[in-house]
Amino acid sequence: DAKTTQPTSMDCAEGRAANLPCNHSTISGNEYVYWYRQIHSQGPQYIIHGLKNNETNEMASLIITEDRKSSTLILPHATLRDTAVYYCIVRGGDYTGGFKTIFGAGTRLFVKA
Amino acid sequence: ETGVTQTPRHLVMGMTNKKSLKCEQHLGHNAMYWYKQSAKKPLELMFVYSLEERVENNSVPSRFSPECPNSSHLFLHLHTLQPEDSALYLCASSQDPPGRERGKLFFGSGTQLSVL
Repeated sequence: DAKTTQPTSMDCAEGRAANLPCNHSTISGNEYVYWYRQIHSQGPQYIIHGLKNNETNEMASLIITEDRKSSTLILPHATLRDTAVYYCIVRGGDYTGGFKTIFGAGTRLFVKA
Repeated sequence: ETGVTQTPRHLVMGMTNKKSLKCEQHLGHNAMYWYKQSAKKPLELMFVYSLEERVENNSVPSRFSPECPNSSHLFLHLHTLQPEDSALYLCASSQDPPGRERGKLFFGSGTQLSVL
């Protein structure tokens, strides 16, 4: 079973920031938080990941709470092309974490003009 | 372009047919995966190969038979499928144990399979 909880769907106005929350209250010390997104009928695309520090790349920012029990993915200026299903995943970052990457239902983000 | 190529993009087959899905990665990764995504359902992990050895078989029926002849190629052989096997089949690769890439998955575009 997925170790994360996400809202089923969210709306965002084009040009505004989209903030997607994720709860992972059972995360263990060596587990990373990963975010992927899936546009209809395509393979999921990696967005960002982090352990405990906030991370930023050209696609998004990831804010992880100090207790690591939740995180937020931020798309700073959402566009219509950001409409997709966003998956928050917890996975071990070392060899003993295994190879399993389990996807939950994700959050369906609708960006509206 | 993710560096992971899946063929065919679409496949229609009867229940008595035998077909194969092909996946090729050009990223130098050492782990490859098959996922199944049925309509309006989350991705389900089917098989994982690491260094060409199967390390995960997630209770998949024997009518699905994976093959990993080398670290760049992965096949999924299909025989006597059922209509409920109709789904998007996705291949992915990663570099494990994680180094700089930290186990990021790179997915292909998938094969949309319809079983009649």
